[in-house]
Amino acid sequence: KAGVTQTPRYLIKTRGQQVTLSCSPISGHRSVSWYQQTPGQGLQFLFEYFSETQRNKGNFPGRFSGRQFSNSRSEMNVSTLELGDSALYLCASSLEWTGYEQYFGPGTRLTVT
Amino acid sequence: QKEVEQNSGPLSVPEGAIASLNCTYSDRGSQSFFWYRQYSGKSPELIMFIYSNGDKEDGRFTAQLNKASQYVSLLIRDSQPSDSATYLCAVKGGSYIPTFGRGTSLIVHP
Repeated sequence: KAGVTQTPRYLIKTRGQQVTLSCSPISGHRSVSWYQQTPGQGLQFLFEYFSETQRNKGNFPGRFSGRQFSNSRSEMNVSTLELGDSALYLCASSLEWTGYEQYFGPGTRLTVT
Repeated sequence: QKEVEQNSGPLSVPEGAIASLNCTYSDRGSQSFFWYRQYSGKSPELIMFIYSNGDKEDGRFTAQLNKASQYVSLLIRDSQPSDSATYLCAVKGGSYIPTFGRGTSLIVHP
């Protein structure tokens, strides 16, 4: 069974631009969570989607948004990029939104210049 | 502010020894607890989870949970150089929003 896939793997953007990242969960998994990982703050929860509905949201500004499609694939969008948004963005999938077992994708490395 | 604390390390152990990794959490309402391993440049992978007081064993790994003292630990028996990685502790409460610790770096030397 294929794992979680994320595209693109690397991205360089300029401050003020916007970016969209994509995540395809493991087949059969209906919950997708997004995380930001930085050396300074560690791994932080952004939001979780299940059945196309946002179930939980972390403490991030409104510039960070996401959505989930009927096939469980998910996208996250960051608008008006700031230098501090440079990070590894990780997507994780699980069977259910309360699921214990969560599997991470390889991540998208975003650099904002 | 819910906090999850881990010693950043590095924790250095010889090959074949038991590595003990500890994690404390602030939210008494926490319900489920997870250990992830993250190799440098890679994404986290789930090692095991626990939600009841006591021990849970899976191969060379044992998770120990003590809700009264608000700590969870991970023991790695017969440590191997391939176990060298950063170990992340994560805690979920009733909202199912996970809070991660900053991780403990483990080095297993031959």
